[in-house]
Amino acid sequence: AQSVTQLDSQVPVFEEAPVELRCNYSSSVSVYLFWYVQYPNQGLQLLLKYLSGSTLVKSINGFEAEFNKSQTSFHLRKPSVHISDTAEYFCAVSKTQGAQKLVFGQGTRLTINP
Amino acid sequence: DVKVTQSSRYLVKRTGEKVFLECVQDMDHENMFWYRQDPGLGLRLIYFSYDVKMKEKGDIPEGYSVSREKKERFSLILESASTNQTSMYLCASSLIGSSTYGYTFGSGTRLTVV
Repeated sequence: AQSVTQLDSQVPVFEEAPVELRCNYSSSVSVYLFWYVQYPNQGLQLLLKYLSGSTLVKSINGFEAEFNKSQTSFHLRKPSVHISDTAEYFCAVSKTQGAQKLVFGQGTRLTINP
Repeated sequence: DVKVTQSSRYLVKRTGEKVFLECVQDMDHENMFWYRQDPGLGLRLIYFSYDVKMKEKGDIPEGYSVSREKKERFSLILESASTNQTSMYLCASSLIGSSTYGYTFGSGTRLTVV
């Protein structure tokens, strides 16, 4: 079975500061990796994903994540955050074969202070 | 614009009531999922369905059942609501074999059982 651990439940940062949200996973089989974002009072939206190939993946709004197989990590980073990035962020994994259910981490609440 | 629609944004029900949460998708997706979201626990899978009339238990199916009579509609049923089922419920859908695209989520139903 797969599992995901997000190491920080809350991350407060100042506007324009860099941020890293940490995600570690456990799986005995190959996985796909995802970051989802949930803005206040909304459902989840896909932010970025790693399927194969380049280990560094990027979103259109400046976030990036790097797949590190040896450390079983998929940390999310942004060099300069904005107030609009305030949201809850979820890391998730799914198997590459068979039933492709998403297994989510506990979530990290990112709060941006002016 | 493709979407997953959950029929109610907020619900308040009494202990012991039978509760129906409805979810409809307009994307012709084969897979549909019900998750519950609780602070500090992330999203946990209750049930999923990969075809009409097909269903599989997720990680926390106790106290719940589901119905999928039509491809576009997936209902979550709380047979006898209890206070520990107070939560945010999220429905999602995806294409078969489409981990590459991730899921599309509804906006959620916040259920309070009193």
